Order: sequence, then structure tokens, then C-alpha cells
Amino acid sequence: NAGVTQTPKFRVLKTGQSMTLLCAQDMNHEYMYWYRQDPGMGLRLIHYSVGEGTTAKGEVPDGYNVSRLKKQNFLLGLESAAPSQTSVYFCASTPGFHTAGEGFFGPGTRLTVL
Amino acid sequence: LAKTTQPISMDSYEGQEVNITCSHNNIATNDYITWYQQFPSQGPRFIIQGYKTKVTNEVASLFIPADRKSSTLSLPRVSLSDTAVYYCLVGVLNTGGFKTIFGAGTRLFVKA
Repeated sequence: NAGVTQTPKFRVLKTGQSMTLLCAQDMNHEYMYWYRQDPGMGLRLIHYSVGEGTTAKGEVPDGYNVSRLKKQNFLLGLESAAPSQTSVYFCASTPGFHTAGEGFFGPGTRLTVL
Repeated sequence: LAKTTQPISMDSYEGQEVNITCSHNNIATNDYITWYQQFPSQGPRFIIQGYKTKVTNEVASLFIPADRKSSTLSLPRVSLSDTAVYYCLVGVLNTGGFKTIFGAGTRLFVKA
């Protein structure tokens, strides 16, 4: 039982490049989330999913897209990276509604956009 | 929209009880309050969650007053390994969609 895993752990992009971050969970959770964390700040919700085939916008969705084709995977895409997207990205999952139950977070992906 | 406020930092000594309070203005009736712990270069780890009154588990207690406008995380007899950042989280589902509101975090430093 690996919990929540994220790929890659680190990435450096040039402005305008694209990439996809992969999140996988093996707990059969319905809900999955992508957050970003900037220095000295709390986590901000980018997008989330309430089940396979569904996605929804969080607080800071601009510049990102997501897909949940399989229940265990949640992908975060950056179509044209910008320096403002330099951050640490965390994926999380919960068995039910986010604020009712224990949330599990991945180890994070540190992204630098030059 | 609910907003959370926490102290930026706190210091304590090993063996002491630590209480961290989070204010969450305008919390909606369907909000739970959750606390997470985060170590450097790691993802947050769930500590405890509650809706009202008091909740206790093997690592912490959570006190929520009747008006639910604040909550207090209580860590009994802290050790050096409890040095971390602690976040309170409030979630709300409203007409604008689902939002999660993480506080900016409280950096707890435990000294020997």
C-alpha cells in the first residue's frame, strides 16, 4: 500500500514548455485534489475530482488542466508554463467529501519555470 | 467565504502541552475543521478532524466552541519531533463550487 505517489519529484521547465504531473493512489478513494504551495504560504486548491471522469475548478485553476480517466490517477497539465507557476505541487486523496475524513497527501513535485 | 487565521509561530519545550488556535470567520454550517502537520520537503499529514465540541485521538485533541468560529489543536507533551508547521483547513461547498481554505500555517519549534 503505497498511499499517494507523485511523478516526477523535480522538474525544471522553460517558459512556454508543457508538462504533465501524475498522481496515483491505491486506496480506492473517490476524491482527488491538486494543490500548489508557495514559500511561506498555505496550500491553494487548483483543481479537484469527485470521481472517475469528473473534474472541477478550485481556487487557482488558471493555467492548469486536469484529467481523471482512471479512478486511481489524477493528472495535472501545464500547457504553457510561466514563471508564476514555479511552486511545489501536492496531490491528495480522500475517501469521501474532502472535509469529512482523513486526507492523504503525496510527497510533492517541485517545479521551477525559468 | 470562510477565511482562516493562525499564529505565525510558536515556541515550546519538550514535555509541555501546546495549544494552537485557528480562527475561521464565517464558517458555513456544513464545514468540518481539519488539522494537518507538515515537515520540510514532505506532504501534509492528517492529525485530527472535528465538526463541533471536542474530538480526541491518539496524538491530539481538537476543541471547537459552540459558535464554531475558532478551533484549538492541543498537542499533549510535545517532543522535539513535533517541530513542524501545523495547518488548519476548512472546506465549504457553496454556489461557487467547492473551496478549501488552508491557513498560512503555524510553525511550532520545540526546544529541549
